[in-house]
Amino acid sequence: GAGVSQSPRYKVAKRGQDVALRCDPISGHVSLFWYQQALGQGPEFLTYFQNEAQLDKSGLPSDRFFAERPEGSVSTLKIQRTQQEDSAVYLCASSLGAGDSYNEQFFGPGTRLTVL
Amino acid sequence: AQRVTQPEKLLSVFKGAPVELKCNYSYSGSPELFWYVQYSRQRLQLLLRHISRESIKGFTADLNKGETSFHLKKPFAQEEDSAMYYCALTGANNLFFGTGTRLTVIP
Repeated sequence: GAGVSQSPRYKVAKRGQDVALRCDPISGHVSLFWYQQALGQGPEFLTYFQNEAQLDKSGLPSDRFFAERPEGSVSTLKIQRTQQEDSAVYLCASSLGAGDSYNEQFFGPGTRLTVL
Repeated sequence: AQRVTQPEKLLSVFKGAPVELKCNYSYSGSPELFWYVQYSRQRLQLLLRHISRESIKGFTADLNKGETSFHLKKPFAQEEDSAMYYCALTGANNLFFGTGTRLTVIP
């Protein structure tokens, strides 16, 4: 079956541009997560959705970052006025049930964002 | 505050030798701990979780609450084990990852 997909796989943006990153979770998965992975680091949590509800956005680094999942399926992570420090791989993950410790998270391939 | 520490960024072992990837954590509560693996040109995937007490691909990990450790072990390393390994613990709604250890198994 199809796993989590993300698009685009690579994105180059000029500083100050807005970008939108898309995540298609596994069909039927309730929970969706976004992570940011800087070079040489582990993934860091950004935000969590349960269906269409954004239950946790404590990891979003600034108000330039915005995420949505309006119909409880596809999610978009938007970054406004991109800065060089936003350069990273953005990972999306989904899990079948609510985001508790008993549900395995399935990761997408990531979007590598480079801000020039 | 939650924290996961993987002290080794790089680890090389010879094929057939034992391997241990270290992971220490701090967490106020009863954590759930995981090992995730990323093979070359593949996506991050779950290797094993402590609650399952399972052995996957010959790897095991024991949670030591006294030492706050969850080290990953395999008695005989194989070339296909070469990958990036991340230790993670779960908070309420998300995973906290360590910085990862790149394991290279030398033929």
